[in-house]
Parts: sequence; structure tokens; C-alpha cells
Amino acid sequence: GDKVKQSPSALSLQEGTNSALRCNFSIAATTVQWFLQNPRGSLINLFYLVPGTKENGRLKSTFNSKESYSTLHIRDAQLEDSGTYFCADSNYQLIWGSGTKLIIKP
Amino acid sequence: DMKVTQMPRYLIKRMGENVLLECGQDMSHETMYWYRQDPGLGLQLIYISYDVDSNSEGDIPKGYRVSRKKREHFSLILDSAKTNQTSVYFCASSLLTGGNYAEQFFGPGTRLTVL
Repeated sequence: GDKVKQSPSALSLQEGTNSALRCNFSIAATTVQWFLQNPRGSLINLFYLVPGTKENGRLKSTFNSKESYSTLHIRDAQLEDSGTYFCADSNYQLIWGSGTKLIIKP
Repeated sequence: DMKVTQMPRYLIKRMGENVLLECGQDMSHETMYWYRQDPGLGLQLIYISYDVDSNSEGDIPKGYRVSRKKREHFSLILDSAKTNQTSVYFCASSLLTGGNYAEQFFGPGTRLTVL
């Protein structure tokens, strides 16, 4: 089965609302990366996490290694937040989730 | 400004032609990677390079080879390209610290079409 499972697979949000994306690991992840692949295809680094929480502007991410999950919270969603969000276990090499496709509607 | 660059950004080749994709980084990272991404999917690892002339196969190395003669450059070579190698290719780099691979930084990607 999937070693890194992301949910939901797709999400549509109204501009200005909040949401959370989740990443579950069936392997013992020790570090996690979150990326946004924008509609042009570029991969943008969002967070690199050891267990704990990081915040950057309207984004916040938490990694709980004991319970094997990570979350990405988006606050006050903007149109430019649209794209596909990937999480990856970055223990030795990146083991990718299948992504959450996020559409922000005006 | 930390950066991973890729050349070319777009490439169209005919089946059987040779393909050279180039990647550069200005962060003195030891480790570099080549991935491919097919539509609607995540990234698949083709090769890892731990440093100059120290390369290792990833998950899907068949049909590819790599070359790393300088720490800042990593090339992906397709000898006699096939139509199923049409894809977007990403290069990445990271530091290797304490035996663990640190944060990976990605280039903008090369869109390769093999006709």
C-alpha cells in the first residue's frame, strides 16, 4: 500500500477560508517536506520539518512522528494558493504522497 | 540566492536520438537527484549522486545514465530516447548532514517530448 497517504485528494475552497491537508505515514518518518506544485509546474518548498510545528505567513505545518502524520494548515486562502500540495517523508530519499489538488475560487 | 537551474526547459526529440539534460546548483550541495514526473503523478527517482563520480540508481534507472564531474553540475543522459520517456524531468539537490538527507531543493523542470 501507499507508504505516504495524503488526504483529501482534491479540495475546492472559497477565497478567504481556512483548511487543513493531511499526510499519514505507514513508515517511520523522521523528517517531512511539504511542497506546492503551482499551475506552471514549479515545485515550491513550503516546509521542512522535524517533529514539531512551523509557521510561515498564512501556512502552518505540524509533524507528529509518534502518531505518524503531518498536517498543513492554510489560513485565509488566496487564489495564488491553487496547485497541488505534496508531502514527502525525507528520511533518506523522498517518499512522496500522491498529492492534494487545491482549487481556490474567488 | 540559492538556486537549482535546469537546461533546457523544453525539448523535443525524435525516437532514437540522444538526449542530454543539464542541472546546476550554487549551494555546494553534495547530493543531487534526477526525478521524472508523469501527468497526475508524484515524482519518481531516477538517480542519486552523492558527490563527484559517486552515483547510485534510484527506483527507475532503466534507459537513463548520469554524469557528475563537478559538484555543481549533474547531467541526465538518455541514449536512444524512447516515446515512453516523454515526461517532465526535475533535478534537485540537498546537503547530507549527520547521515541524513536534508531538505531538497528543486529546479524548474525540463519538459521532454519524444516523438
